[in-house]
Amino acid sequence: DIQMTQSPSTLSASVGDRVTITCRASQSLSTWLAWYQQKPGKAPKLLIYLASTLESGVPSRFSGSGSGEEFTLTISSLQPDDFATYYCQQYNSLPWTFGQGTKVEIK
Amino acid sequence: EEQLLESGGGLVQPGGSLRLSCAASGFSFSSYAMTWVRQAPGKRLEWVSGISGSGDRTDYADSVKGRFTISRDNSQNTLYLQMNSLRAEDTALYYCATDGRNAYNWYFSHWGQSTLVTVSS
Repeated sequence: DIQMTQSPSTLSASVGDRVTITCRASQSLSTWLAWYQQKPGKAPKLLIYLASTLESGVPSRFSGSGSGEEFTLTISSLQPDDFATYYCQQYNSLPWTFGQGTKVEIK
Repeated sequence: EEQLLESGGGLVQPGGSLRLSCAASGFSFSSYAMTWVRQAPGKRLEWVSGISGSGDRTDYADSVKGRFTISRDNSQNTLYLQMNSLRAEDTALYYCATDGRNAYNWYFSHWGQSTLVTVSS
């Protein structure tokens, strides 16, 4: 199985900060990677797929980049609604696997 | 708008069985592959099983292979997960999820609200 590792596990930031989350895969994914946002008690929400394609309706302050084994999710200016946990997910090969999550907390 | 509604969760003893259901509405169910994803308390998301729109392709995580069976009834717009020989480590929130843009679910744009499965004596 492909192992997905995110860093950091927790991130403390303030409104307006630029935030970057990294996701590393144990083998090359090309660009077969998605990012999700999950808030407590809620289902995940798809933000980005194909490593950098923004899902319809997702604010443009979210962006994704990377290919191969290393990927990043960037929030250009953190908003109050963005405090949540973020997960990456690979769909290069079954079983699809997720990172352990990065919790973005209020500083 | 696509809607997914899970049911069937509950408390079950180790070794027991449960059948989860996911009622779909707002889209052409038989055209969409479907997936079960679970999340143990405080843990990462885990892909469990997927099924094609016609039901002729199914896939399973190694952790559930041989114990869980995914199926669908396209006439009833319903997805199922039959879970047998349940273990404590199967305790989790179970989500059904889908995305209609590919023949098989690669990523998931639509999720249900989840149903909780607790395996404990």
